Amino acid sequence: AQSVTQLDSHVSVSEGTPVLLRCNYSSSYSPSLFWYVQHPNKGLQLLLKYTSAATLVKGINGFEAEFKKSETSFHLTKPSAHMSDAAEYFCVVSAFSGGYQKVTFGTGTKLQVIP
Amino acid sequence: NAGVTQTPKFQVLKTGQSMTLQCAQDMNHEYMSWYRQDPGMGLRLIHYSVGAGITDQGEVPNGYNVSRSTTEDFPLRLLSAAPSQTSVYFCASSYGTGDTDTQYFGPGTRLTVL
Repeated sequence: AQSVTQLDSHVSVSEGTPVLLRCNYSSSYSPSLFWYVQHPNKGLQLLLKYTSAATLVKGINGFEAEFKKSETSFHLTKPSAHMSDAAEYFCVVSAFSGGYQKVTFGTGTKLQVIP
Repeated sequence: NAGVTQTPKFQVLKTGQSMTLQCAQDMNHEYMSWYRQDPGMGLRLIHYSVGAGITDQGEVPNGYNVSRSTTEDFPLRLLSAAPSQTSVYFCASSYGTGDTDTQYFGPGTRLTVL
C-alpha cells in the first residue's frame, strides 16, 4: 500500500518568515518523493525530488526538503516566504510496483503569504 | 520544446455528450498518464500508458477511455459525460517508468458537465 498525508490543508505565513509544509508517506517499497507547486489556474511545476541520494534536497526558488526515513516524512521548508510563493503545494510519492510506476498525490496544502 | 500540451483549456458539456481531451508531448517520453484534480482530493490517476499500444487503468477509470497509437499523443475520451466528471484534467509524461522519473504536466483542461 502507498499513501501520502499532507498534514495541513492551509498554511498562512507572513512575508519574510519561514515556511513549513508537512508531508508524511507510507510505501511498501523504497519510494521517490516529490514536491510540486501549482499557482492559481496553472499546471503543476516540479519543486524538488528525492531519489535515495542526499536526504536534504534543494529545489527551485529557495525551497528544500529533508527525507527522514525513521519518521516517514518529507517536509518542505523555505527560510523566508515571498509573496510569489502563495500557491498550492503537493507532496507526491512514487514507487515502481507490479510492473508500473505507482504515483500517489497528497491532497495539497494551500500556502497564503500575508504582506 | 513545447513540453506537454493539452487542448482545449476549457470545455462545457451537457450530460450524455461525448468528447475527447487531447494531450501531446514532444519529449519522446514513453510514459504518459491522465489525472483528474478535484478540491481536497489531490490528483487521481485515471489511465496511463507505458508506450505506444499499451494502456492500463489507474485509480478512477470508469467513464473514460484512452488509446496510444503514437508515442506523442494520448487522448482521453469521455463516452457519455456525467456531472460527476466535472473536474480539471491534467496530462503528464515522463521519460520512463522508473520511480525516479520526473513527471511533466500539461496546463490542464477545465471541464464542466451540466
